Amino acid sequence: KAGVTQTPRYLIKTRGQQVTLSCSPISGHRSVSWYQQTPGQGLQFLFEYFSETQRNKGNFPGRFSGRQFSNSRSEMNVSTLELGDSALYLCASSIDRGQETQYFGPGTRLLVL
Amino acid sequence: AQKVTQAQTEISVVEKEDVTLDCVYETRDTTYYLFWYKQPPSGELVFLIRRNSFDEQNEISGRYSWNFQKSTSSFNFTITASQVVDSAVYFCALADWTSYDKVIFGPGTSLSVIP
Repeated sequence: KAGVTQTPRYLIKTRGQQVTLSCSPISGHRSVSWYQQTPGQGLQFLFEYFSETQRNKGNFPGRFSGRQFSNSRSEMNVSTLELGDSALYLCASSIDRGQETQYFGPGTRLLVL
Repeated sequence: AQKVTQAQTEISVVEKEDVTLDCVYETRDTTYYLFWYKQPPSGELVFLIRRNSFDEQNEISGRYSWNFQKSTSSFNFTITASQVVDSAVYFCALADWTSYDKVIFGPGTSLSVIP
């Protein structure tokens, strides 16, 4: 079974631009969560999607948004990029909400110049 | 407010030594989940364990064991007979019962196992 895949793996953008990151969960998994990891703030929860609906959102500004498609694939979008958005963005999937095990993708490393 | 503290920023041990990673949490909830994750140098997070707040039984999985003590709000992780492959950053995390996926992570402990 293929694991969680994230594309692209690396991305360089400039301030003010927008970016879209993609996450394909393990086949059959319906819950997808996104996390941001930075040296300063550590790991932080961004949002969780289940059945194409955002179920939870972390403490991030409205520039951060996402969506989930009917095939459970998810995208997250960051508009008006700031230098502080440079981070590793991790996606995780699980079979259902509240399931014991989440499986993480390799992450997308975003650098904002 | 919920908070997870991992006081040990970095730990170095010699291979085959036992090592315990500390985790102390704060929450006003009476029911919650606790987790441990491993992040090797490759960067990909690996889920290790989830524990429910009402289940204080210690757990052992191979060389890994976890000690959950609700009275002291601690959820410590012990690696027995450490190996070089255990070198990674380990994160303890907390999630409330109703927002399972809204996880609060600790700052992580970087473990180096020296051959």
